[in-house]
Order: sequence, then C-alpha cells, then structure tokens
Amino acid sequence: QLQLQESGSGLVKPSQTLSLTCAVSGGSISSGGYSWSWIRQPPGKGLEWIGYIYHSGSTYYNPSLKSRVTISVDRSKNQFSLKLSSVTAADTAVYYCARGSMVQGVLDAFDIWGQGTMVTVSS
Amino acid sequence: QSALTQPASVSGSPGQSITISCTGTSSDVGSYNLVSWYQQHPGKAPKLMIYEGSKRPSGVSNRFSGSKSGNTASLTISGLQAEDEADYYCCSYAGSSPVVFGGGTKLTVL
Repeated sequence: QLQLQESGSGLVKPSQTLSLTCAVSGGSISSGGYSWSWIRQPPGKGLEWIGYIYHSGSTYYNPSLKSRVTISVDRSKNQFSLKLSSVTAADTAVYYCARGSMVQGVLDAFDIWGQGTMVTVSS
Repeated sequence: QSALTQPASVSGSPGQSITISCTGTSSDVGSYNLVSWYQQHPGKAPKLMIYEGSKRPSGVSNRFSGSKSGNTASLTISGLQAEDEADYYCCSYAGSSPVVFGGGTKLTVL
C-alpha cells in the first residue's frame, strides 16, 4: 500500500523560502502513469493545487504561483520536494502531497494523499 | 484560472439523498470527463470518492455517485448517514492550467 509522508519546516519567516519533502513508501516514484503533486489548504479555506511533477521530470504549476514554485524529484530517495519562495502570511496553510493518476497524459484524480503538514509564515 | 463553483453548504436528514453541484466552464468541466470529488473530515486529508465524473474507487460506498451535464458536475449521496457529514470538493482537469478545485461544500447531516 503506497503511502506519502510530508516533512519540513513548520515555521517560515516572511520573504524566506518554504521547503517541504514528501517521502514515498510502498511503491516507486518512478512508476509510469502517475504524477506527484503539492496541494495546500489555508486555515478554514478550500484546496489549492500548487503543481505537480511527472515521473519523466516534467513539471506543471498553478499559474498564480508559478513564479515562486519549484517542484523536484529525488529518485534515489524516492521522494519529491516543494520550494516556495518569497513567502508571506498568505502562504500559511496545511500542505499536502498527493499522487495523481494520469489518463492519456493528463491528470485524472488525486488517489493517494499524505496526512498534511502545517506551515506557518510568521516573524 | 477561476475556482469551480460549489454551494457553500447543503444539509439533509439521515436516509435522504442530497446533491452537490460543481459549476465550471467550457474550458474545464465542460470539455473533459475528468471531474473528481473528495471528502474531507475535520483535521483529515481529503479522500477520493469519485473520479472521471462517475467512477468509484475500490472501497467507496455505492451510495456515492457522480454525473455531469454541460459545464456542471454533480455528486449525489443517497441514504445519508451521520458519517457522511464532511466537506466535499470537486476538481477538474483544465487544460493548459491543469488543475482547478471547487471552493468546497459543507454537508450537514441533520
């Protein structure tokens, strides 16, 4: 049973870079047919897709965050990572990593989610 | 890339059926049969309930069903149970801006 686990700093200062990692266990991140996403949820608000990396290494980002986001994969460690630069209080949220099933090269659904990690942006 | 539109809240009594709508545009919901629905209980991660508009993952109750008409997708829950009380989110593939979520709907079981 594939599982995802987020880790990283829970407190980030304004203007700094948020860094999170998602460890994949019970399966390989290099498996074809899947993408690996980051999704966030501000307190009391809805879900916002941040971006995903395909097993090939191709990345796709939410246009509203694209200038600040980098998603990368470390196949040797079976994990993928998120970096979000120049953070503000508006970036305070629970951050989830999720596996996306793909159909004909496009995202179908997020079928497996990590438990989420709270990141607070504050000085 | 605008969020899909969902009602903020819906409610129903145990045993009844409810439907949650998810309205998008011809650039997302209307153009692709790639709408998914997620259930989220407080403090928990979302759980996939419906994918490709109407398909249920293994283990999801057949009380949950999905459909689509034009630019609007719908999630129907029949035989409401107390444990169905949660937030529900729709999501659609959206072409060049690949993913868009709905704002979420809070389901209250009376």
